[in-house]
Parts: sequence; C-alpha cells; structure tokens
Amino acid sequence: DIQMTQSPSSMSASIGDRVTITCRASQDIRKWLAWYQQKPGKAPQLLIFDASRLESGVPSRFSGSGSGTDFTLTISSLQPEDFATYYCQQANNFPWTFGQGTKVEIK
Amino acid sequence: QVQLVQSGSEVKKPGASVKVSCTASGYAFTGYYMHWVRQAPGQGLEWMGWINPNSGGTKYSQKFQGRVTMTRATSIRTAYMELSRLRSDDTAVYYCARGPLLVGAFDNWGQGTLVTVSS
Repeated sequence: DIQMTQSPSSMSASIGDRVTITCRASQDIRKWLAWYQQKPGKAPQLLIFDASRLESGVPSRFSGSGSGTDFTLTISSLQPEDFATYYCQQANNFPWTFGQGTKVEIK
Repeated sequence: QVQLVQSGSEVKKPGASVKVSCTASGYAFTGYYMHWVRQAPGQGLEWMGWINPNSGGTKYSQKFQGRVTMTRATSIRTAYMELSRLRSDDTAVYYCARGPLLVGAFDNWGQGTLVTVSS
C-alpha cells in the first residue's frame, strides 16, 4: 500500500497567517492527490483534487501544488472557519489511502 | 443539490454483521461511483472500496476482502455496505462518498453512520 505522510501532525496559527501543509507519498502518485477539510463531528469536505484543481465552491485562499511524491496545501490567509483537520488522499493505486491528518488550531 | 443520506447508528455484538444504507438524491445515481470510507474514534480515514451503481461492479480494499459486500438498488437510488464478522476494532463512523468518474476524489459525503461493536 502507498503510505501518505503529512507534516506537521498539528500546528497553531493565527488569523491571517499563511499556512502550508505537506504530504509525501511513499511512491510516485503522479497528480492523483486530493485534500479534504474535516471539522469535529462532520464529514470531510473536498478542497482540492488532481493535486491543484480547486473544487467548486471552495474559497480561492486554498491552493494545492505538487506532483510525483511531494505535495502541498496552502491557505493564503487563515480564516476563523479554517480551523480544522486536513487530510491528503492518493488515488493512483488501490487501496486508496489517506494521510494521518494535520490539525490546525488557533494560536 | 446533491445529498447522500445514511441509515442510523447501529450497535452490534462481535461476530455479527451490519448493513449500512446510503440514499442519493440530486444527481444521476448511476453516473458516479459510490465509495465507502470509515473513521475509527479519534483516528484518520480509511478507504474500504467502491461500487459502480451502473454495473454493480465493485472494488474492495484487500484489508476487507471476504468481509465486505457492496451492493445497490438503482430503483431507489440506494447503495449498501455490509460488513460481516464484526470485531471491536470495526467500531467506527462509516461514510458513503460520491466519486466522479476519472477523478480520484470524493466530492460529496453522507453524514456518517456510527457502528459500535461491543459485547
């Protein structure tokens, strides 16, 4: 199985900060990477697919980049509603696998 | 708007089976794969497999092969996930999630169904 490793596992940030989360795959996954946001007690929500394509309705402060094994999710200016846990997910090989999550908390 | 509505919480004993339903509305049910993803308490997300509602074809994670069965009833726009021989570590929230063809992501999710396995 492809292992997805996110860093950091948790972080504290302030409103307005630029936040970057990284995701590394254990082997080449080309562009087949998605990012999700999950708030407590809720289902995940798709933010980015195909590594860099913004899902419809998602604010433009979210962006994704990368290919192969190294990917990043960037929030250009953190907003109060962005405090949540973020997951990456690969779809290049079965079984599709997720990173362990990055919890973004208020500083 | 797209909606996926799942069945309610379940409590099962070890060794039993559970069947979770997911009823879709707001889109062409047979035009999108339906995936199942689970999340143990306080843990991350785990993909279990998908069903093609059009053909009934399935793809399961090897981890669940032999214990999971995904089916659908197209007339009532409902997908099902049945997990057998339940163990305590199957305690989790189970989500259905829509997967567009040729997109390796889940663009709409059900609200989740908590399955508790306890003696």
